[in-house]
Amino acid sequence: QVQLVESGGGVVQPGRSLRLSCAASGFTLRTYSMHWVRQAPGKGLEWVAIISYDGSNKYYADSVKGRFTVSRDDSKNTLDLQMNSLRPEDTAVYYCVRPGYSNSWYPNWFDPWGQGTLVSVSS
Amino acid sequence: DIVMTQTPLYSRVTLGQPASISCRSSRSLVHSDGNTYLSWLQQRPGQPPRLLIYEISNRFSGVPDRFSGSGAGTDFTLKISRVEAEDVGVYYCMQATQFPVTFGGGTKVEIK
Repeated sequence: QVQLVESGGGVVQPGRSLRLSCAASGFTLRTYSMHWVRQAPGKGLEWVAIISYDGSNKYYADSVKGRFTVSRDDSKNTLDLQMNSLRPEDTAVYYCVRPGYSNSWYPNWFDPWGQGTLVSVSS
Repeated sequence: DIVMTQTPLYSRVTLGQPASISCRSSRSLVHSDGNTYLSWLQQRPGQPPRLLIYEISNRFSGVPDRFSGSGAGTDFTLKISRVEAEDVGVYYCMQATQFPVTFGGGTKVEIK
């Protein structure tokens, strides 16, 4: 069964850092580019970042560029999101998601979605 | 960025009646590879999003056939032929033709 489980969320003060992790199971992580998507409380969905299947390319939303870093450890089947200089507007549930096609940079569609992990940035 | 505009914002439907959601993109979603990466997601209350339809009209595995997608270019539609109680939630269209991936603002489906 293909599954993604996020962890690492919590309450953090503005300006501080937090590291999220996503554990993948049921498929070969190293063959997929992977994405992070977030959802502020009561709001819609916002794409955050992608890391290519070989880890050589990364791309970020303008809203997080320069502050967030996505990485992967295929030996552990995990995806990470290092979030620095956090702002109140980063408060959201963060989802890691897998695209429909393997060995492709292009996202096509997203499935599955994990349950998400809540990050709350507040003083 | 490609802007995705959904209408209506809210849809109150009688059980067993049809529902329709429209999604319009600010630019054509036809990719250079010839495919159109427009998908529909369902988010039930308290749940993560779930893929319903991909590439305009392909129902994902396990999705009931009362859900259907159509459209081309910049205009797309999700239809529910007969709404059931479990269909309550928010529906999002999503384009993955061009980075960044963008989503519609969502349509909330409720039962009358």
